Amino acid sequence: EVHLLESGGDLVQPGGPLRVSCAVSGFTFSNFAMSWVRQAPGKGLEWVSHVPGNGIYTYYAGSVKGRFTISRDNSKNTLYLQMDSLTAEDTAVYYCAKTLGNSKYCYDYWGQGTLVTVSS
Amino acid sequence: EIVLTQSPATLSLSPGERATLSCRASQSVSSSSLAWYQQRPGQAPRLLIYDASSRATGIPDRFSGSGSGTDFTLTISRVEPEDFAVYYCQQYGYSRYTFGGGTKVEIK
Repeated sequence: EVHLLESGGDLVQPGGPLRVSCAVSGFTFSNFAMSWVRQAPGKGLEWVSHVPGNGIYTYYAGSVKGRFTISRDNSKNTLYLQMDSLTAEDTAVYYCAKTLGNSKYCYDYWGQGTLVTVSS
Repeated sequence: EIVLTQSPATLSLSPGERATLSCRASQSVSSSSLAWYQQRPGQAPRLLIYDASSRATGIPDRFSGSGSGTDFTLTISRVEPEDFAVYYCQQYGYSRYTFGGGTKVEIK
């Protein structure tokens, strides 16, 4: 059974850093691209970042480019999102999501999300 | 970046009625790389449709997707009580995989 479990969400001060993680099981992690998607309280879904199975390139939404870094450790079956220079607009539930595969970058499995709150 | 505009923002229906949700892209979505998701309150999104018209595993056949280019539609043939939720479209044809703003299907 496929399982994704995010962790690391916290209350952080504006300008501060935070790293969230996503531990996966139930599938061959290195074979699938992964993404982070966030949802601000009461708002819609916002795609954040993408990394392929081999991690050789990365994509970012314009709102986070230059501040966030996606990475993965295939030996640990874990996806990461390093977030720097956080602002109140980054407050959201952060979901990790597994792509469907075969170069179809939609998401068939999601974690339960981890809440990041940016406030002083 | 491709912008996806969903309409209507809210759809008020009675159980058993037909639901038609629209997703319009600011430019053509390559290879019909468009997906639909359902999100119930307090839950993660659930994939319903991919490649514009293919149902994901375990999705009932009352859900169907159609369209190409810039105009896409999700249809629920007869809305069941568990279908009242928010629905999002997502394009994955270009390297920034954007979502639409969502359509809330509520009980009339």
